Amino acid sequence: KAGVTQTPRYLIKTRGQQVTLSCSPISGHRSVSWYQQTPGQGLQFLFEYFSETQRNKGNFPGRFSGRQFSNSRSEMNVSTLELGDSALYLCASSSSGMPNEKLFFGSGTQLSVL
Amino acid sequence: GDSVTQMEGPVTLSEEAFLTINCTYTATGYPSLFWYVQYPGEGLQLLLKATKADDKGSNKGFEATYRKETTSFHLEKGSVQVSDSAVYFCALKGGGAGGTSYGKLTFGQGTILTVHP
Repeated sequence: KAGVTQTPRYLIKTRGQQVTLSCSPISGHRSVSWYQQTPGQGLQFLFEYFSETQRNKGNFPGRFSGRQFSNSRSEMNVSTLELGDSALYLCASSSSGMPNEKLFFGSGTQLSVL
Repeated sequence: GDSVTQMEGPVTLSEEAFLTINCTYTATGYPSLFWYVQYPGEGLQLLLKATKADDKGSNKGFEATYRKETTSFHLEKGSVQVSDSAVYFCALKGGGAGGTSYGKLTFGQGTILTVHP
């Protein structure tokens, strides 16, 4: 069974640009979550999607948005990039996103904003 | 809100030494608790989990017991190997009402473990 797949693996952008990251969950998983990992702030929850609906979101500005498609694949978009957006962005999937379920993580997309 | 506190790191040990990484939490309701491990350049891998008080999670020689009375979930291993060198994260998934728990893990700051031969 294939794991969680994130593309691209690395991205370099400049301030003010926008970026789209992609995540394909494990087959059969309908919940997809996104996390930002930085040395200073650690791992922080961005948002969660289930059946194309955002069910939960963290404390990030509106520049961070996402969506989920009918096949459960998800994309995350960051508009008007800032230097502080440089981070490893991790996607995770689970069957339903319920509290006792474990999350399966992808290898992440390393975003560098210059 | 929910929070997780891990012991200050990094931790450096010799092979076959005993490992303890402390983790305490604050949460409403009855959260599920997890330990994840991250190897260089990779995403997070689930190491073990416990979903209710007094549950013991175990995997690959690692163990952790869900202690509700002390709000702790300390990670232990009796004999570490060089291959255990990685960053370890304690995390919780809240048991609160409503949709605040969907897909959301609250992580500790991570503990870097280095094991020397």
